[in-house]
Amino acid sequence: DTGVSQNPRHKITKRGQNVTFRCDPISEHNRLYWYRQTLGQGPEFLTYFQNEAQLEKSRLLSDRFSAERPKGSFSTLEIQRTEQGDSAMYLCASSLGLDRGTRYGYTFGSGTRLTVV
Amino acid sequence: AQSVAQPEDQVNVAEGNPLTVKCTYSVSGNPYLFWYVQYPNRGLQFLLKYITGDNLVKGSYGFEAEFNKSQTSFHLKKPSALVSDSALYFCAVRDAGGYNKLIFGAGTRPAVHP
Repeated sequence: DTGVSQNPRHKITKRGQNVTFRCDPISEHNRLYWYRQTLGQGPEFLTYFQNEAQLEKSRLLSDRFSAERPKGSFSTLEIQRTEQGDSAMYLCASSLGLDRGTRYGYTFGSGTRLTVV
Repeated sequence: AQSVAQPEDQVNVAEGNPLTVKCTYSVSGNPYLFWYVQYPNRGLQFLLKYITGDNLVKGSYGFEAEFNKSQTSFHLKKPSALVSDSALYFCAVRDAGGYNKLIFGAGTRPAVHP
C-alpha cells in the first residue's frame, strides 16, 4: 500500500488523558500536514512539516498539542490533557511540492477519529 | 481574509439528473482551487483542481468543475448523478500565505435518490 497510513483509526479516551496519533506518509513526499475536522465542518489546518522541520503551526494548535516528524519520515501528533472539545477526526496529508508549474496535490490518510469522554 | 463558501449543506437530486455543488472563494492573487470527496469514516479523496488554463476542469468519476473568475466561483458538476455519488464534497483554495496549506469549505452532501 503506497497511500498515507494513519493509526489508530479510532481512539476513545477519558478527559485528561494523553493520546498520540501516528501518520506514515507516502515515502517520497517531503511535505506533511495535519488537519482537524469536526462534525459538519471542513478540515482545518493544524501544522505543516517540510522534511523534519515544523514550519508552521495554526493558532488552533494549543500548547497541549505537539507534533513531530523525526528524520522526515513518519509523524506523530500528541494531545496532552485531552478535553471534550478535542473530539474530532485528525487527518494527515502528504505531498510533493505544489509550486507553480507542478501538478501534484495532497494525498490524505483515512484519519484518526478521537472521542474524548 | 481568504475563505471558501459552500452555500448548501445538502442538495437533492434524482439519479440520472445533473448534479451541481456550488463553491465561491475569496483569495488574494490567482486562486488554486480544489475539490475533494469524503466517504463515511474515510479521508478525503482528490477529485480535481484548477491552477491555470482552461476554465473547465475535468476530474475523477465523471466530475468536472467550472472556474469563473468574475463570479469567484468554482462549481462542481456531474452530468448524470449516481446514487453512489452521495458523499461529502469539499471545495478548497490554497492559502496564499504559503506552504500550500488548504482552506476548506464546510462541505456539501448531495442526496441522490433513485
